[in-house]
Amino acid sequence: NAGVTQTPKFRILKIGQSMTLQCAQDMNHNYMYWYRQDPGMGLKLIYYSVGAGITDKGEVPNGYNVSRSTTEDFPLRLELAAPSQTSVYFCASRVDTSNQPQHFGDGTRLSIL
Amino acid sequence: DQQVKQNSPSLSVQEGRISILNCDYTNSMFDYFLWYKKYPAEGPTFLISISSIKDKNEDGRFTVFLNKSAKHLSLHIVPSQPGDSAVYFCAASEVLTGGGNKLTFGTGTQLKVEL
Repeated sequence: NAGVTQTPKFRILKIGQSMTLQCAQDMNHNYMYWYRQDPGMGLKLIYYSVGAGITDKGEVPNGYNVSRSTTEDFPLRLELAAPSQTSVYFCASRVDTSNQPQHFGDGTRLSIL
Repeated sequence: DQQVKQNSPSLSVQEGRISILNCDYTNSMFDYFLWYKKYPAEGPTFLISISSIKDKNEDGRFTVFLNKSAKHLSLHIVPSQPGDSAVYFCAASEVLTGGGNKLTFGTGTQLKVEL
């Protein structure tokens, strides 16, 4: 099993450009999450999904959109990139049983210049 | 307002000794606590967890203690090994109204285990 796979690993964007960060998991987890980590800070929740077709906002959703058309995939879209979105983005998934850990991908390092 | 705090940005310990990493929280709605380990350029890896109804959980060299009245938890690593050198994040879980759970992370403690 590959676990949680994120692509790309690195990306540089210009201000105003758009892009989609990809996340796929092969563990048949219903719950999936997107976090961002800024330097010296903990991870902050952007969006989450409890199953295909169901998404909801987390703590810092502004400037992002998500969709969940399948159990496996949970892409994160940036429509108009801004320097404040320079960060490392982590995707995670979890089984829908209580008190179970979230499993993380290796992250996408995004720079907006 | 930081609901989960790790007040020590770094900790240096000699190989074979005990490492103690601390975490404080403020939200009484947290029902489950986790420790993650993170190496550079990798995602956080789950290490150990504890339910809010317990006060101790042990897994090999790793033990997590929870003092609910003080809203404090700690991770003990005994004996510490050079491979334990990493950033350790404390995370607290609360149930979301729509289902699933949200993790609130501390800012991490960089552990260095020296020979």
